Amino acid sequence: GAVVSQHPSRVICKSGTSVKIECRSLDFQATTMFWYRQFPKQSLMLMATSNEGSKATYEQGVEKDKFLINHASLTLSTLTVTSAHPEDSSFYICSAREAGTGSNTEAFFGQGTRLTVV
Amino acid sequence: AQSVTQLDSQVPVFEEAPVELRCNYSSSVSVYLFWYVQYPNQGLQLLLKYLSGSTLVESINGFEAEFNKSQTSFHLRKPSVHISDTAEYFCAVSEKGGSYIPTFGRGTSLIVHP
Repeated sequence: GAVVSQHPSRVICKSGTSVKIECRSLDFQATTMFWYRQFPKQSLMLMATSNEGSKATYEQGVEKDKFLINHASLTLSTLTVTSAHPEDSSFYICSAREAGTGSNTEAFFGQGTRLTVV
Repeated sequence: AQSVTQLDSQVPVFEEAPVELRCNYSSSVSVYLFWYVQYPNQGLQLLLKYLSGSTLVESINGFEAEFNKSQTSFHLRKPSVHISDTAEYFCAVSEKGGSYIPTFGRGTSLIVHP
């Protein structure tokens, strides 16, 4: 099956610094990638939808200047958490859908990134 | 807009016992339904999905789910669980003809005891 690789799997950073998380589709091209945030014992919250070559669409309540998303190629999307604070600590998961497929196809998920801001 | 309700936040069960994880959804249009499994500190893996056709769908590891339109449910079942089935299970729904952005339930933690 299709593989989505997310890197790093864990990161610890100091408050005030920025962290970049990469999401790569390894064996397919992804027109659309999704970024989720998951709080402990809770479901996934969609943060934004990124489309290759265009600006990301952010969900209501998500600060686009804080969570910068870049989808520069069909196989790579990045999420940068800028000026991170302890409340940004969370599990971030990306998913990708193969280019040219219909809306009934599954999106493939990365393994997630555990961000801890100290 | 669609929504998903997983009534049970945690389901403890003994090994080799049957289990059912409940999922109900609401939507004004026809939907696709999914079950995902998440192991600790990992991403989500698709377990099974209902798109159309037979209302009973099965996974390769013994799980099955049945789409019940009248009850707007998509409960997940397994006749005999293993320790390795211990994980978080998420039910998700997306609208047919939509953008395929699934809405997830809050998840059910399946805990299998020896």
